[in-house]
Amino acid sequence: SQTIHQWPATLVQPVGSPLSLECTVEGTSNPNLYWYRQAAGRGLQLLFYSVGIGQISSEVPQNLSASRPQDRQFILSSKKLLLSDSGFYLCAWTGTHGGEQFFGPGTRLTVL
Amino acid sequence: GENVEQHPSTLSVQEGDSAVIKCTYSDSASNYFPWYKQELGKRPQLIIDIRSNVGEKKDQRIAVTLNKTAKHFSLHITETQPEDSAVYFCAASIDFGNEKLTFGTGTGLTIIP
Repeated sequence: SQTIHQWPATLVQPVGSPLSLECTVEGTSNPNLYWYRQAAGRGLQLLFYSVGIGQISSEVPQNLSASRPQDRQFILSSKKLLLSDSGFYLCAWTGTHGGEQFFGPGTRLTVL
Repeated sequence: GENVEQHPSTLSVQEGDSAVIKCTYSDSASNYFPWYKQELGKRPQLIIDIRSNVGEKKDQRIAVTLNKTAKHFSLHITETQPEDSAVYFCAASIDFGNEKLTFGTGTGLTIIP
């Protein structure tokens, strides 16, 4: 069966520090991968999605970037965090032909 | 791009009564409409979805209806239970194969015992 992992689960970082969040999927090949951010009490904002290795589409301008170095690995990064980057970051995947989108357990990021 | 509006933002229902959450979408090309339930501090999980070739789908106490002409779809929960308390998100997507979902802003549902 397929599983999706995210780490770390929680993170507290100072303003201006770098960020690296990792997401990996097991049990499937060539998934579509997604990064979302959820501010406290708010909806889900799509940040990036990827349909293959090295293929990244950005949905909103921000100081974040994403990379997909391997088929089942998706990384969210920042060179310098802002206070507004605080939130709950969720990775998700779907199969190549779409259908149900499965979410990872999330990373709760607090920028101080 | 696609825009999804969701109402109400909060909903309180007596246990055993029904709850209805409504969403509208803007792009008539959208063809996939999932509903997700998110409990506090947890990940969203799919509870039901519908594609544009059907008007209604039911799964036990949960049903979704779709009106393509009016571009709106609704979630119906009958015989509500305390464990139904959560935030519910609707979503819509245009691309089949790359399900880039546009989410509504969520409805916080509280079931009153």
